[in-house]
Amino acid sequence: GDSVTQMEGPVTLSEEAFLTINCTYTATGYPSLFWYVQYPGEGLQLLLKATKADDKGSNKGFEATYRKETTSFHLEKGSVQVSDSAVYFCALSDRGSQGNLIFGKGTKLSVKP
Amino acid sequence: NAGVMQNPRHLVRRRGQEARLRCSPMKGHSHVYWYRQLPEEGLKFMVYLQKENIIDESGMPKERFSAEFPKEGPSILRIQQVVRGDSAAYFCASQPGLSTDTQYFGPGTRLTVL
Repeated sequence: GDSVTQMEGPVTLSEEAFLTINCTYTATGYPSLFWYVQYPGEGLQLLLKATKADDKGSNKGFEATYRKETTSFHLEKGSVQVSDSAVYFCALSDRGSQGNLIFGKGTKLSVKP
Repeated sequence: NAGVMQNPRHLVRRRGQEARLRCSPMKGHSHVYWYRQLPEEGLKFMVYLQKENIIDESGMPKERFSAEFPKEGPSILRIQQVVRGDSAAYFCASQPGLSTDTQYFGPGTRLTVL
């Protein structure tokens, strides 16, 4: 079945460092890909999405490019801030299914001042 | 436009009791998904409902769990005779329809079974 694998955390960075969180997927159809962010004690917020190959999703300085050839959707940010500390989830939605999301296990990011 | 509302935010139950979790989708959204997040894990799909219909319950345990989304009122996830393994965060998400695949999540209900 469909699945999402993301790099295990926790990831600890200093403020203004470059961030990469790797995400790869397995899907039989043509999924949409998402990054969600979860701040402590809160629900998930959509960070960015891409719906087809070579699309780039971007928001709040974060970017991810849908790479069909490598089945990847890595999250990047050029300069992280303390306020970016959260858990980041990669997910896919297979349009061939009923639209439910399949999530990776999450990567916890801590940014130190 | 208010976001997805869930209540209660925290729920404590003893083993054998019933837990009722409520989800009010965003205005105009007729599709609701329920997910469960176990400690240190990602979210797992449980059930997908539209008004008055269960569309996909393939992720929901066959016993003790049920869900509904009536014509009026919130969606309800019901867990009967709770056990310690049911302790988790339960999130619902809503979507306006199938023209978009973006889901909007509520803040979750954190269930603790003593």
